[in-house]
Amino acid sequence: GEDVEQSLFLSVREGDSSVINCTYTDSSSTYLYWYKQEPGAGLQLLTYIFSNMDMKQDQRLTVLLNKKDKHLSLRIADTQTGDSAIYFCAGADTGRRALTFGSGTRLQVQP
Amino acid sequence: GAVVSQHPSWVICKSGTSVKIECRSLDFQATTMFWYRQFPKQSLMLMATSNEGSKATYEQGVEKDKFLINHASLTLSTLTVTSAHPEDSSFYICSAPDRVSNNEQFFGPGTRLTVL
Repeated sequence: GEDVEQSLFLSVREGDSSVINCTYTDSSSTYLYWYKQEPGAGLQLLTYIFSNMDMKQDQRLTVLLNKKDKHLSLRIADTQTGDSAIYFCAGADTGRRALTFGSGTRLQVQP
Repeated sequence: GAVVSQHPSWVICKSGTSVKIECRSLDFQATTMFWYRQFPKQSLMLMATSNEGSKATYEQGVEKDKFLINHASLTLSTLTVTSAHPEDSSFYICSAPDRVSNNEQFFGPGTRLTVL
């Protein structure tokens, strides 16, 4: 099955850009996702990218997908203190639809 | 977007009791729902796939007699933690896929279970 890895922690200053990285093993994942989880809360879907795309931009969020290296990244422009949370990347096994989540990256935004 | 609800949002129970958690798709039908478990400061791990009208499919290492799943209708799946123990304390989250686009999962808000 899919194996997804992320760096555990990232600290940035307010106004800077944040880049959260993710690597995965199963190149057959059709979609790759980014979720945000605030303390004690459920998951919020931020964005997703189809596997035949290289990049997707949605307001402050930019997703880059390098299929050759099996690397996915999420860039948050002009990071705000409200962006402080845990960010999970996830992939879906082909045909299965259940998601395999990365370990999560805790983003801390310093004012 | 579609909404998935969970009930209760949190529960505290004594060791040895059973706890039922409900997952409902509020404005769409879900023949399949997924149950995940998240331990503190860890990622979500898939526990089982709930299938309407048939038996659930459990992931390796998940005891099906301990985590009973019933998907009795197209909008409701229940997870019952039987004879709960402190090590079962966790955050349980369900999700349902979008049947139309098949590329989006709708997650419930989660249920925090604490077993004393």
